[in-house]
Amino acid sequence: GAGVSQSPSNKVTEKGKDVELRCDPISGHTALYWYRQRLGQGLEFLIYFQGNSAPDKSGLPSDRFSAERTGGSVSTLTIQRTQQEDSAVYLCASSLVGPDTQYFGPGTRLTVL
Amino acid sequence: DAKTTQPPSMDCAEGRAANLPCNHSTISGNEYVYWYRQIHSQGPQYIIHGLKNNETNEMASLIITEDRKSSTLILPHATLRDTAVYYCIVRVHYQFYFGTGTSLTVIP
Repeated sequence: GAGVSQSPSNKVTEKGKDVELRCDPISGHTALYWYRQRLGQGLEFLIYFQGNSAPDKSGLPSDRFSAERTGGSVSTLTIQRTQQEDSAVYLCASSLVGPDTQYFGPGTRLTVL
Repeated sequence: DAKTTQPPSMDCAEGRAANLPCNHSTISGNEYVYWYRQIHSQGPQYIIHGLKNNETNEMASLIITEDRKSSTLILPHATLRDTAVYYCIVRVHYQFYFGTGTSLTVIP
């Protein structure tokens, strides 16, 4: 079946602009995660959704970052007033339930000029 | 806050077994060990996971020590396509704790 998909695959933006990153999880997966991966680094947890609610937002780096999930499916990660340090690959993953194997999408590479 | 320690890099000859070690000395009794790999510019790919017992699937074997403080991922016959960064992860409930991984290079 279809895996996790993310769009766009690449995004170049200017400092100060807002960006939206989209994630389509595997159909039927109730849990969804966002991670950030800076160049040459491991994955950094951002937020976890169970259904449409986000019981854990502890990884969001600042109030410029927000995320929502609608219909228990698609999720959008929004970064407002982007900064150069926001440049990274943003990865989305989903799992059938919360404590379970996570399946990752290909990521969105964000470059802030 | 990584809960695992891995060597930063390893080489392995093509066709030989690749043994990737991982230390997770602070792991608790109900926390799983997962292994993923990431090939350049792709999302992490699930390999295998375990709690206490050794596990094997079509990709790899996972050997967990009896005290659960360390584990080893074994790729039985490494190919050039196995060149990737391998992450050993401790899962605490829904939370995956990624370290910096081991960069495995399979040499022809």
